[in-house]
Amino acid sequence: EPEVTQTPSHQVTQMGQEVILRCVPISNHLYFYWYRQILGQKVEFLVSFYNNEISEKSEIFDDQFSVERPDGSNFTLKIRSTKLEDSAMYFCAGLQGAGGYTFGSGTRLTVV
Amino acid sequence: AQTVTQSQPEMSVQEAETVTLSCTYDTSESDYYLFWYKQPPSRQMILVIRQEAYKQQNATENRFSVNFQKAAKSFSLKISDSQLGDAAMYFCAGDSGAGSYQLTFGKGTKLSVIP
Repeated sequence: EPEVTQTPSHQVTQMGQEVILRCVPISNHLYFYWYRQILGQKVEFLVSFYNNEISEKSEIFDDQFSVERPDGSNFTLKIRSTKLEDSAMYFCAGLQGAGGYTFGSGTRLTVV
Repeated sequence: AQTVTQSQPEMSVQEAETVTLSCTYDTSESDYYLFWYKQPPSRQMILVIRQEAYKQQNATENRFSVNFQKAAKSFSLKISDSQLGDAAMYFCAGDSGAGSYQLTFGKGTKLSVIP
C-alpha cells in the first residue's frame, strides 16, 4: 500500500535554529497537510496545501512557519526560529478523495 | 467537525471482552467523515475505521464497529474480543466537510487491555 514518507524520524535542534521537516506524499493526493501533536495532547491542524498554495491555516501557523512543495514531490514544513514549545510530533498527511486520508509516520522534533 | 469531544481519558478492558469508546462532535455540515485512529507508543497514526455521515449503516472492520447517531452527533467505537495489541491511545476525528477537509481531533482515550 502506498505510504506517506516523512524524514527525519527524529530531529534535535537548538532553540533559535531553523528546521525543515520533509514529507513525500502519495502522488495522486490532492490536499496535503501538516498536523502537530505536543506530547500528551491531541493532534492539531496546522496547515493545508492545495494546488500549490496554502488552502487553510490555523492560528498556530504563524509567521515562523512556512510550507512549500518546490518540486511537485516533496512537501516541506519550515520553522524559522524554533522555540522550546515547538517540540512536538509533526505529522504530514495527504488526502486522495473524500475521506481518503493517509498519515505519515511522523517526525519527532525536540528543541533544546 | 468544529469540535470533537472524548469524555473518557482512560478505559480498561479484560482481554477477549468488549469495550466501547465514546465520542461526540459538533458540525454545521450535512456531509462529512468521521474517523477513529489508534496511536500506539510509537506515536504512528493508524486508521481504525471511518464513517461517512451520509451513510446510515454503521461501519465495521473486523472486530471494530461504530455506533453512529447523526442526530445526536455521537460516534462511538466498539472493540470486540479485545486483544493485548489493542492497547493504545484512540483518537476520534472529524473532517470539516468543506473547504480543505482538515481534521479536528478529540483529546483521546487511553485504552488498557488486562490479560
